[in-house]
Amino acid sequence: GDSVTQMEGPVTLSEEAFLTINCTYTATGYPSLFWYVQYPGEGLQLLLKATKADDKGSNKGFEATYRKETTSFHLEKGSVQVSDSAVYFCALIPTNDYKLSFGAGTTVTVRA
Amino acid sequence: GAGVSQSPRYKVAKRGQDVALRCDPISGHVSLFWYQQALGQGPEFLTYFQNEAQLDKSGLPSDRFFAERPEGSVSTLKIQRTQQEDSAVYLCASSLRQGHTEAFFGQGTRLTVV
Repeated sequence: GDSVTQMEGPVTLSEEAFLTINCTYTATGYPSLFWYVQYPGEGLQLLLKATKADDKGSNKGFEATYRKETTSFHLEKGSVQVSDSAVYFCALIPTNDYKLSFGAGTTVTVRA
Repeated sequence: GAGVSQSPRYKVAKRGQDVALRCDPISGHVSLFWYQQALGQGPEFLTYFQNEAQLDKSGLPSDRFFAERPEGSVSTLKIQRTQQEDSAVYLCASSLRQGHTEAFFGQGTRLTVV
């Protein structure tokens, strides 16, 4: 079935560092791709999404581009803050489906 | 409230006990989902409702798991005769309509079976 594989963590960075979290997917057709974030003590929140090839999702300084040729949706942020410390999940919804399939999550800790 | 609300936030159950977990979706949201998140893992799909109809229960791990949404709003996930492997965070999500790609999640119920 359709699935995502994301970079294992944990990832520890200093403030203002560049963050990349790799995500690749296996799917037939054209799935919709998502990044969700879970801040400490809070529920999952949609961070950004892309629904077709070459789309770029962006929010809160984070970006990810839907790359059909490499089946990837890597998350990037140019300058992280302590408040970006969270667990990040890559996910997809297969074509003509409604169920989210999540990766295992990547824990990111940003130190001041 | 403005978001998806789940209760209780935490539940400790003795092995063999029945539990009921509640989800209040965002008002007007047609689609409702339940996911199970084991420690250190991503959420996994359990079941899906469109209004009061349970259209997909393919992710329910056993017949001890049962979900309902009788009036098309509040949903309850019931687990009978709980076992230790049922320990997880149970997440509820709702979306405006089927095919709408933004699902809003509640904070989850952390179930610990002892």
